[in-house]
Amino acid sequence: EIVMTQSPATLSVSPGERATLSCRASQSVSSNLAWYQQKPGQAPRLLIYGASTRATGIPARFSGSGSGTEFTLTISSLQSEDFAVYYCQQYNNWPPTFGGGTKVEIK
Amino acid sequence: QVQLVESGGGVVQPGGSLRLSCAASGFTFSSYGMHWVRQAPGKGLEWVAFIRYDGSNKYYADSVKGRFTISRDNSKNTLYLQMNSLRAEDTAVYYCAKDMLWFGDWGQGTLVTVSS
Repeated sequence: EIVMTQSPATLSVSPGERATLSCRASQSVSSNLAWYQQKPGQAPRLLIYGASTRATGIPARFSGSGSGTEFTLTISSLQSEDFAVYYCQQYNNWPPTFGGGTKVEIK
Repeated sequence: QVQLVESGGGVVQPGGSLRLSCAASGFTFSSYGMHWVRQAPGKGLEWVAFIRYDGSNKYYADSVKGRFTISRDNSKNTLYLQMNSLRAEDTAVYYCAKDMLWFGDWGQGTLVTVSS
């Protein structure tokens, strides 16, 4: 199965700053990658699919890029509600697999 | 809007069984494949099982193969997960999710605790 590796494990950012999260696949997943946000006690929420397409209702400050094995989620200006854990997930190969997550915390 | 509501979680002893349900509304349930995804306490997300829209094909993670069974009743708009021979490592919040290739919509989850 494809192993998804996210870095860093924890990212400390001040409100209003830019956050850059990385996700690497153990083999090419083309652009078949999604990003999710999860807050404590809540279900994950889809942010991005197709590596760069924002899901319905997701603010424009969230953007995704990359293809193949290297992907990035960028939050252009962190708002208080953006502090959460973020997961990447590939759906190019079976079974679908998730990265270990990046926690974005307040600096 | 899409709504997925899981139920059936609880505390069960090792070796025991539990059946989870996921009631779906707000979309044509019989047209979509459905997944179960779980999350152990303080850990990341793990895909568990998938069933095609018509129930014709089912897929399982190696960690649950032979112990868990996914099924659906399209007449009741409900997804199920029958969990047998439960182990401590099955302790997790179990989410159902609508298949869009990615996981487009999620329920709120139901907690399963396997403990003696």
